[in-house]
Amino acid sequence: DVKVTQSSRYLVKRTGEKVFLECVQDMDHENMFWYRQDPGLGLRLIYFSYDVKMKEKGDIPEGYSVSREKKERFSLILESASTNQTSMYLCASRSISGETQYFGPGTRLLVL
Amino acid sequence: GEDVEQSLFLSVREGDSSVINCTYTDSSSTYLYWYKQEPGAGLQLLTYIFSNMDMKQDQRLTVLLNKKDKHLSLRIADTQTGDSAIYFCAEKPGGYQKVTFGTGTKLQVIP
Repeated sequence: DVKVTQSSRYLVKRTGEKVFLECVQDMDHENMFWYRQDPGLGLRLIYFSYDVKMKEKGDIPEGYSVSREKKERFSLILESASTNQTSMYLCASRSISGETQYFGPGTRLLVL
Repeated sequence: GEDVEQSLFLSVREGDSSVINCTYTDSSSTYLYWYKQEPGAGLQLLTYIFSNMDMKQDQRLTVLLNKKDKHLSLRIADTQTGDSAIYFCAEKPGGYQKVTFGTGTKLQVIP
């Protein structure tokens, strides 16, 4: 069965902290994605990666960076967390030839 | 750029049909999707349709595509309380990796 896991379901951080959100998929997918979900705004793409060590900016990359050192793992980094980064963060993966994106359960981040 | 629009909220009575609507702007969209998000969970793919199709039916779900008007709808027959969730419409051009999601429609089913 397809699986995308995220390291934390809930996270509370303080303004200015460096935050790491981890995502792991077990389907050998080439493409991985990080989204944030906010009420009334839907899902917005932060970054995606189409291969190891490859990354591309999405629609809202400011304040974020990513790392993909291994095919199965895609990390989202908040270099200096701010309160406007309080949100639900969703990771997804998809094979290069597939139609379906598989999502993790999400990490709800609160920045105080 | 691409844009996908949905109404934010829909309320129906248990047993009635629900129709969730979506409009998109990218005429090169090849794949159009419906995802479901239950409370506290990630998104789960419900169904998708290719742009060369007008309709797709899968048990209680019917997807209608009007390519001329760039309008997509999801009909849920005999809506149940377990169908209460947020439904996202999404589109992807062929040969391109990025999927654009709508704002999501929160479906509330009243017993």
